[in-house]
Amino acid sequence: EDQVTQSPEALRLQEGESSSLNCSYTVSGLRGLFWYRQDPGKGPEFLFTLYSAGEEKEKERLKATLTKKESFLHITAPKPEDSATYLCAVRGDYKLSFGAGTTVTVRA
Amino acid sequence: KAGVTQTPRYLIKTRGQQVTLSCSPISGHRSVSWYQQTPGQGLQFLFEYFSETQRNKGNFPGRFSGRQFSNSRSEMNVSTLELGDSALYLCASSPGLRAGELFFGEGSRLTVL
Repeated sequence: EDQVTQSPEALRLQEGESSSLNCSYTVSGLRGLFWYRQDPGKGPEFLFTLYSAGEEKEKERLKATLTKKESFLHITAPKPEDSATYLCAVRGDYKLSFGAGTTVTVRA
Repeated sequence: KAGVTQTPRYLIKTRGQQVTLSCSPISGHRSVSWYQQTPGQGLQFLFEYFSETQRNKGNFPGRFSGRQFSNSRSEMNVSTLELGDSALYLCASSPGLRAGELFFGEGSRLTVL
């Protein structure tokens, strides 16, 4: 069965303090790795798609990278509005499997 | 362009009752997926519909069912509710089948007493 493990569970950052979130996975036949952001009381919002090892995607202060066994979401100089739960998901043969998420809190 | 709309947003039921949740996908999207989200289990895949046919199903009991209409709108039903069914039920749409970029609604929060 496909498995996605995210760490840490929670991350508290000072504004401007860069950090990284980890997503490790096991999947038969990876058909893409996806990052989502979820705000309290909202549905997840799509951020990035990564398909192959070595691939990188950037959006504002976020950068996602992919290796054969894990992905990282780097947050550079975060702002309070970056506070959210970040979810990683992998597409296997028939479904999208999500990790439990990393809840990021950025203090001003 | 309107997003994914889910109704109702909140509902309270008692054990043994049944519930029907509704989802209107983004215009032009033909695939609708349903997920259950709880603090302990995270996002769990329920099923995916495409062109009115269930294409994939997660590991949930038969009490959980769904359907999709010709206009791509979807409903899911949970019968004989249990306390453990309390969760946020999320619907997501995408243009095609088995996509990774999903567009989620805000969810229907079900509380079972």
